[in-house]
Amino acid sequence: DTGVSQDPRHKITKRGQNVTFRCDPISEHNRLYWYRQTLGQGPEFLTYFQNEAQLEKSRLLSDRFSAERPKGSFSTLEIQRTEQGDSAMYLCASSSGEKLFFGSGTQLSVL
Amino acid sequence: LAKTTQPISMDSYEGQEVNITCSHNNIATNDYITWYQQFPSQGPRFIIQGYKTKVTNEVASLFIPADRKSSTLSLPRVSLSDTAVYYCLVVLNSGYSTLTFGKGTMLLVSP
Repeated sequence: DTGVSQDPRHKITKRGQNVTFRCDPISEHNRLYWYRQTLGQGPEFLTYFQNEAQLEKSRLLSDRFSAERPKGSFSTLEIQRTEQGDSAMYLCASSSGEKLFFGSGTQLSVL
Repeated sequence: LAKTTQPISMDSYEGQEVNITCSHNNIATNDYITWYQQFPSQGPRFIIQGYKTKVTNEVASLFIPADRKSSTLSLPRVSLSDTAVYYCLVVLNSGYSTLTFGKGTMLLVSP
């Protein structure tokens, strides 16, 4: 068990640029989640995959956000035309049951 | 989906027992109660999970009354390294969770 891996750990970008984050879940886990967390708040659910199927997406999620999990293994989260309000920690988690295993996150700063 | 309420912050001293209570008044029959711990710049880490009565592991105990409308996380003999944010989360027994975490309880342990 190598844990959930996220890349990069930090990303600084200019407003209007596109960014992509990668998540490698624990290998035997079929469920994968993306969360967003800002300072002082708990993680906010963004989207959920079971294997390669995206089964749930937060209604609060802008159309600029898209996620994929092409072969049911790793996942990517892309943010197009970033805005300063997108600055946050983006967390990935995987599970095979009730327990979520989180990565260390990608800290995004939009200047 | 059950919404949770927990204290914003708690203070304690090393060696004391800390009890953090979470309210989840509209918990459903098939929901489990799960607690996570989060340190700065890290993803949340699973601590303990229960359905009813009492659950104990090497880290903590979880007390759940018969009506399951609340739960109490008990940390025995805390140390400085237990300073963290603690989140209570209610999840479906299928493990499928689209819940956004609440703000959690910030526990500060002092010497």
